[in-house]
Amino acid sequence: SQELEQSPQSLIVQEGKNLTINCTSSKTLYGLYWYKQKYGEGLIFLMMLQKGGEEKSHEKITAKLDEKKQQSSLHITASQPSHAGTYLCGAVRNTNAGKSTFGDGTTLTVKP
Amino acid sequence: DGGITQSPKYLFRKEGQNVTLSCEQNLNHDAMYWYRQDPGQGLRLIYYSQIVNDFQKGDIAEGYSVSREKKESFPLTVTSAQKNPTAFYLCASSLHWTGALRNYGYTFGSGTRLTVV
Repeated sequence: SQELEQSPQSLIVQEGKNLTINCTSSKTLYGLYWYKQKYGEGLIFLMMLQKGGEEKSHEKITAKLDEKKQQSSLHITASQPSHAGTYLCGAVRNTNAGKSTFGDGTTLTVKP
Repeated sequence: DGGITQSPKYLFRKEGQNVTLSCEQNLNHDAMYWYRQDPGQGLRLIYYSQIVNDFQKGDIAEGYSVSREKKESFPLTVTSAQKNPTAFYLCASSLHWTGALRNYGYTFGSGTRLTVV
């Protein structure tokens, strides 16, 4: 998606290491979703952020929305093989709410 | 357990054929969506339905058609007019059209991988 840029595109980390994935929007964000996808499967909802500065956690995954920068970061602490997969961010728009735009994803590999 | 069921998981299409992908949900969700995902890319919206008996074109509707005759069902037909149909297709639903604004997000099916042979 041109509207949402994710970085990096892919990431390989050693088990136990921390990592951060970024998602930057070229348009104003009303909110932002984070989803996880295993290869060949559907997307699993992780969390949604709406307020500037909001931070949410799901197990060892924490995401924060910086509304001024139109950016969100997703941080995984002490990565495990179960964290492997592709992480996608999705933009929530305040008009045409159902027509979210998704980033191209960041593929995470965790080496045991 | 409630969820979205997509079938089949794998589908092979010959040139010039129409094929239909099934999507059924028992979540009592009003809104349903079809996305296409190509390797290394995000999701692109094909069609969406805010409510039963209504549907709208998304960003890449050409070569596709849908129906929403029942709340639970939103089948997608890939017609012969779609020149590059090989992709991973995902169906999703949300409680309401505006439910996507709240902390419900979308519920996704497990996808159908379509290959042209």
